[in-house]
Amino acid sequence: KQEVTQIPAALSVPEGENLVLNCSFTDSAIYNLQWFRQDPGKGLTSLLLIQSSQREQTSGRLNASLDKSSGRSTLYIAASQPGDSATYLCAVRWSSNTGKLIFGQGTTLQVKP
Amino acid sequence: GAGVSQSPSNKVTEKGKDVELRCDPISGHTALYWYRQSLGQGLEFLIYFQGNSAPDKSGLPSDRFSAERTGGSVSTLTIQRTQQEDSAVYLCASSLHGSQETQYFGPGTRLLVL
Repeated sequence: KQEVTQIPAALSVPEGENLVLNCSFTDSAIYNLQWFRQDPGKGLTSLLLIQSSQREQTSGRLNASLDKSSGRSTLYIAASQPGDSATYLCAVRWSSNTGKLIFGQGTTLQVKP
Repeated sequence: GAGVSQSPSNKVTEKGKDVELRCDPISGHTALYWYRQSLGQGLEFLIYFQGNSAPDKSGLPSDRFSAERTGGSVSTLTIQRTQQEDSAVYLCASSLHGSQETQYFGPGTRLLVL
């Protein structure tokens, strides 16, 4: 069964810290992987998309890496800020024929001033 | 439009009634997706449209759920004879062409079935 797991479920850090969010997936034959951010009561905001042929993607203070062989992706957030507080979701697409994304349960991040 | 829009933003209905949820994708996006987010299940895929056809309906939980897309743009998700377990946030997303593209999500419709 194709599943996505995110650990920890919640994380609290002081402002300024660098942090890593983890995502693991069964079945390494993924098509691509996408990281999203969700603020309370809101929709999802796309952060980074990594194709299966790529090892990492960067956007500003965010860096996402992909290691298919180990079934893992990490989202690195540099110099965290209170505005980074949100739930971060990892989603994997396994097929090129469908847009179906399978989501992890998310990691809720709190950055304290 | 600038982003994916959904209506209504909130819907309260009585058990057994039918509801229709609407999604307007980003202009020019050919692929459209429906997902459901509930407390117990997280975010679940429902259906994927490419143009007006739906090559993947595998996530629809029962035959009470149906969706259509007309003119390659607006989509409607219909839930017939609603049940309390249908209560969730229904999210719509679109992408430019399909499988390789980033999916952009709307704000969702929060459905409460009493």
